[in-house]
Amino acid sequence: EIVLTQSPATLSLSPGERATLSCRASQSLRNNLGWYQQKPGQAPRLVMYDASNRATGVPARFSGSGSGTDFTLTISSLEPEDFAVYYCQQRTSWPVTFGGGTKVEIK
Amino acid sequence: EVQLLESGGGLVQPGGSLRLSCAASGFTFSDYAMRWVRQAPGKGLEWVSALSDTGAATHYPDFVKGRFTISRDNSRNTMFLQMDSLRAEDTAVYYCARVAYSFYMDVWGKGTTVIVSS
Repeated sequence: EIVLTQSPATLSLSPGERATLSCRASQSLRNNLGWYQQKPGQAPRLVMYDASNRATGVPARFSGSGSGTDFTLTISSLEPEDFAVYYCQQRTSWPVTFGGGTKVEIK
Repeated sequence: EVQLLESGGGLVQPGGSLRLSCAASGFTFSDYAMRWVRQAPGKGLEWVSALSDTGAATHYPDFVKGRFTISRDNSRNTMFLQMDSLRAEDTAVYYCARVAYSFYMDVWGKGTTVIVSS
């Protein structure tokens, strides 16, 4: 099973600041990694797929990078609606696994 | 509007069974693979089962294998999750999700809550 480790667990930032979230895999994923955003009481929302492709409707302030075992989700300038928990997910092999999440909270 | 709607959750005793349903609308259901993902209270996301577009192929993580069965009825635009031998640790919100972009989940339902407790 591929283990995904996200860091930091919590990111305290102010609106307008840059957020950098990390996801590290226990083995190479090539670029087979996605990111989801989840707000309290809501279902997750796909934000990024295959490491660097924005899902439909996701604003350009979201960008993804990385390959192999190290991946990054960057939000260039935080908007109020971006404060949420973000999960990474790998699709390289079964079982599908998620990281433990990074909570982006308002400082 | 593309939509998924789960139902069938509830309170069940340990060792009991539940059948969850996921009704799809707004898209050609038979064109898409589907997934169930759960989230225990205050915890992260956990993949529970996967089903191909035709229903011919299924996958499960070890912790539900032999207890959960995923299936679909494309004529009714509905997916199911039969959950048997339920345990307290199966308590969670269960989401159904559509698979797109090769292997990611691009549409999610609002979830249905399963509580396993005596």
